[in-house]
Amino acid sequence: QKEVEQNSGPLSVPEGAIASLNCTYSDRGSQSFFWYRQYSGKSPELIMFIYSNGDKEDGRFTAQLNKASQYVSLLIRDSQPSDSATYLCAPSLNYGGSQGNLIFGKGTKLSVKP
Amino acid sequence: EPEVTQTPSHQVTQMGQEVILRCVPISNHLYFYWYRQILGQKVEFLVSFYNNEISEKSEIFDDQFSVERPDGSNFTLKIRSTKLEDSAMYFCASSEQGRVEQYFGPGTRLTVT
Repeated sequence: QKEVEQNSGPLSVPEGAIASLNCTYSDRGSQSFFWYRQYSGKSPELIMFIYSNGDKEDGRFTAQLNKASQYVSLLIRDSQPSDSATYLCAPSLNYGGSQGNLIFGKGTKLSVKP
Repeated sequence: EPEVTQTPSHQVTQMGQEVILRCVPISNHLYFYWYRQILGQKVEFLVSFYNNEISEKSEIFDDQFSVERPDGSNFTLKIRSTKLEDSAMYFCASSEQGRVEQYFGPGTRLTVT
């Protein structure tokens, strides 16, 4: 059974702070790791993905991957109230020439207080 | 910016009825997916589709479900005989060949009464 674990939260941070969201996964065959943001009642919106160990930065977002520890995280710098949403972690096997399906965690609800 | 579209946004049906959910993937994308999200639960993979055939399917995607690409733009999910537990948001997603990112449509809320 492939499991993706996330702290459900809510994680509450003040505006301007760094929000740190964590995710662990069970399938060592996972190759790519995606972070999606989901506002209440809306569809998942891709923020960024990572597939190499280390850090990947995109604007205010930094994804961190440690495959040995089966751990991936998302840092949001200078958090804004508009960042308040549920953040979904989704590993993918994405092997060979096939596009792998995403296995989602339950998500962490982030609340950024003005 | 191109986006995945889905119709209808909300579908209400009676138990035992057939429903067809429609999706128009991003035009140059070749991989298509259906996911569902029961209220308050996680997003679950149903099926992936490439080159006019199913690539992968989950345990949820049983004989009551089918997918089709009836023309060059639409991608459909059919549920033959709906059950109460099929009530959920159904999301279509697509991705481009050679790219790993999947882009989701706005979803169809299916309510089975």
